[in-house]
Parts: sequence; structure tokens; C-alpha cells
Amino acid sequence: ILNVEQSPQSLHVQEGDSTNFTCSFPSSNFYALHWYRWETAKSPEALFVMTLNGDEKKKGRISATLNTKEGYSYLYIKGSQPEDSATYLCASYILTGGGNKLTFGTGTQLKVEL
Amino acid sequence: DTEVTQTPKHLVMGMTNKKSLKCEQHMGHRAMYWYKQKAKKPPELMFVYSYEKLSINESVPSRFSPECPNSSLLNLHLHALQPEDSALYLCASSQEPGQGYSPLHFGNGTRLTVT
Repeated sequence: ILNVEQSPQSLHVQEGDSTNFTCSFPSSNFYALHWYRWETAKSPEALFVMTLNGDEKKKGRISATLNTKEGYSYLYIKGSQPEDSATYLCASYILTGGGNKLTFGTGTQLKVEL
Repeated sequence: DTEVTQTPKHLVMGMTNKKSLKCEQHMGHRAMYWYKQKAKKPPELMFVYSYEKLSINESVPSRFSPECPNSSLLNLHLHALQPEDSALYLCASSQEPGQGYSPLHFGNGTRLTVT
């Protein structure tokens, strides 16, 4: 994998459903994996920064896991609420000779319906 | 409320105009970034400033000219843009440059339309 890829592109769930999305990233020269939530008309907000293989982070009903060896991270939302509707972006921080930088995926757009 | 402030929120400019986008943060962050985002695409890095010095330029055309007057301010000067430059321009900052474990703090962005 050369780029950061996210799936699915979009997701519609009912209130109360639990859901998860995937972020795939290059596993070589990996340094950190970021998750952001981006609500409409607002700025992207950092959810998690993960660096170690096997890391698990939790913030309320949202949690994330990291597998740096195989290059993927999962984001889980338990008991989705309408306020969880947003685009969820992951970004991989890679160490390169040209400058270390954060590369974003295209995001997963989540819509939680009543 | 975002701690990174971007102005203006919207900008419409002709291809011969000169305009500037402004970004301000007062969190004492030492790294500041410009990203460009087009619809259905991920944010793309344009420039990184570390301690007020340009550290990364992602081969951005010279019609975009960044400036960091001090540690709190970041400008993006625009001149002779093309319609394909129409996009959302996001400013971000982080505590320390070159450290991937510092999350980015984003502004709300400037929606730019080039006519």
C-alpha cells in the first residue's frame, strides 16, 4: 500500500447501532497514526494519535486499534448517536528523507439516522 | 470554538487578482501548516513552517506564496490563480514540528473560488 486508504467511503446506520471503519496505510517508515472527526461547517478535530503496534485508545463511545506490522487501524463507535454524524479521517505520519509528513485518507462519511 | 482562526471564510477572486489568506493561533504551537482540500479528496499538504521557517514545500506552484511573520501568524498569498485552484484551504498548527505524536489543530478553512 502506497497511500492511506479508508473504507467504506460512506455509511448510514441507525441510532444505537455500533459500527466500525478501516484505515490502511504503508507499514514501512511508519511513525504515527492519527484519527480526526470532521463535522460539517466545523474544523477537523483530533480524536486519537497512536504510535505503538497493538495500541488501543478510547474516548467515550469511540475507540481505535492499531496494527503497524500489517498497516491498518480500526475505528469503532458503540451505540451511534446522531451527533456522531461526521467524516472520519485517518492520517499516517511517515518518516521520509524529504521531510516527515502526515498523509490523509479520503475519509469515511458517517450518517446516523433516528 | 476553534483555537486556530482563519480569515476570510469565503473568497471569490479573478485570475488576475492578488489576495491573501490569514491564519492565527495563540496556543504557542511551533509548527504551522497549509493544506488544500478539493471535494471528495483527502486534504493535501502544501507547506509546513517549523519555528517560523519554511521546512516543507510540496512542490506547490509559485502562484501560492506562504509567509510566517511570527510564531502566531501564517499567511498564504495568492496571485494569478487558475480556476482549478478553487478548493478549501485549511490551516493547522501542532505543538512541535516533526513529531508525529502531536495532533494537528485545524481552522475552519477558507473556501476559495477562482473565476
